[in-house]
Order: sequence, then C-alpha cells, then structure tokens
Amino acid sequence: QSALTQPRSVSGSPGQSVTISCTGTSSDVGRHKYVSWYQQHPGKAPQLMIYDVTERPSGVPDRFSGSKSGNTASLTISGLQAEDEADYYCCSLGDMFYVFGSGTKVTVL
Amino acid sequence: QVQLQESGPGLVKPSETLSVTCTVSGDSFSDSNYYWAWIRQPPEKGLEWIGSLHHRGDTFYKPSLKSRVTLSADMSKNQFSLKLMSVTAADTAVYYCSRELGGSSRRDWGQGTLVVVSS
Repeated sequence: QSALTQPRSVSGSPGQSVTISCTGTSSDVGRHKYVSWYQQHPGKAPQLMIYDVTERPSGVPDRFSGSKSGNTASLTISGLQAEDEADYYCCSLGDMFYVFGSGTKVTVL
Repeated sequence: QVQLQESGPGLVKPSETLSVTCTVSGDSFSDSNYYWAWIRQPPEKGLEWIGSLHHRGDTFYKPSLKSRVTLSADMSKNQFSLKLMSVTAADTAVYYCSRELGGSSRRDWGQGTLVVVSS
C-alpha cells in the first residue's frame, strides 16, 4: 500500500520540457493501463490531465503527454508555461484499490 | 457534465464517527458505467484513495482503512456517503468525492470538504 514514488520537485524555464516520473511495482503501474495524472493548484481540487497512461481529456493542452515503461509511468510537459506551475500526482490501480503518487511540485523559473 | 458536491460537519471530535455525503447532479448514481469513490488529502500532504462503490453494491476499500470505513448510497437522493469510525487528528483532511469510469482510470472530482478532527 505504499505511495507511488515521484520526485519531490522539478523545475524548468518557460518553453522548456520537464518530465515527472512515477515508479510503482509490477502489482500496480506495471500491471495494466489504469494510470492517470492530476494537476492541483493551491486550494483547488485535482484536475485530470492524463488517463489510461496516454489519453488526454478534451480541454487539456496537447503539451501534456503520458507514457509508461515497465513499472514507471511518466508525465511530460512540453513548452512549459507559467500556469503549469502546480503539484502533480500520478495514480494507478493496484490490487483492487487505487494508489496515488507522493506528488511533485513543478516550478516554472 | 457531472457535478459532485461534498457536504460534511466541518469539525468532528476524536474517537467519533466522521460522515460526509456527496450529491451527484448531471448523472445518476445508478449509471452502471461508473464507480463512486472517496479520496482525501491531509493539509499540505498528498492524496489518499479511501474506497469506492458501485450501484450494484460492489465495494472496494484501501486495506489499511477497511476496518473503519463504511460506504453507502441513497439512490432516491442521488447521493453516496462515507462514514469513518474512531477518528483521530490524522484523519483531518479535505475529503473529495469522485466518479470513476469503469474499465478506465478516468476520474471526475468534487470540490472537496474540509473535516477537522479536534476536541
């Protein structure tokens, strides 16, 4: 039941790309497609950015993309913008329940 | 578009039972495509999935919370609820209700309600 492992923080300048990793196990991230990513601004509810590893909901900019390799999923933000500064959480289905990542703060320099 | 609205007591005393309710609009709790879930976030900390239920009665819980959690629904009011027993200060959190699409990791969120456990 441990949280998925994410870096505490990543940063980049406007226009750059940043990638956030999310490491789990063969019982969760590595097991199936049920991996999602959420953006959370201070005092706000999380917002879905990516679901099913790579799918982007309508309304989410295409600079956000997801991928997975083995037990590690990744969220890439290409062309970083000021409004992307927020906390990001991954989430994966495990053995009959969901587990979230520890969270990553993205700072736009 | 679905809207989820949490309601709760705001303040609960230690050892008592925390109860929060989610009112669903724009969809029906009886929609068989979805599971209805609770997620919490302690102040300045990360997200924790608590459990989910389906209108058929299927329920799923985070193992470490299972002994204290009860999920239920009132389909006539299009609401579902969370009860968490024997609370401590560690249960202080914003409690979010959520709609999970079956066969997918797609999820919608409510705005959350803060519940503080304090005497």
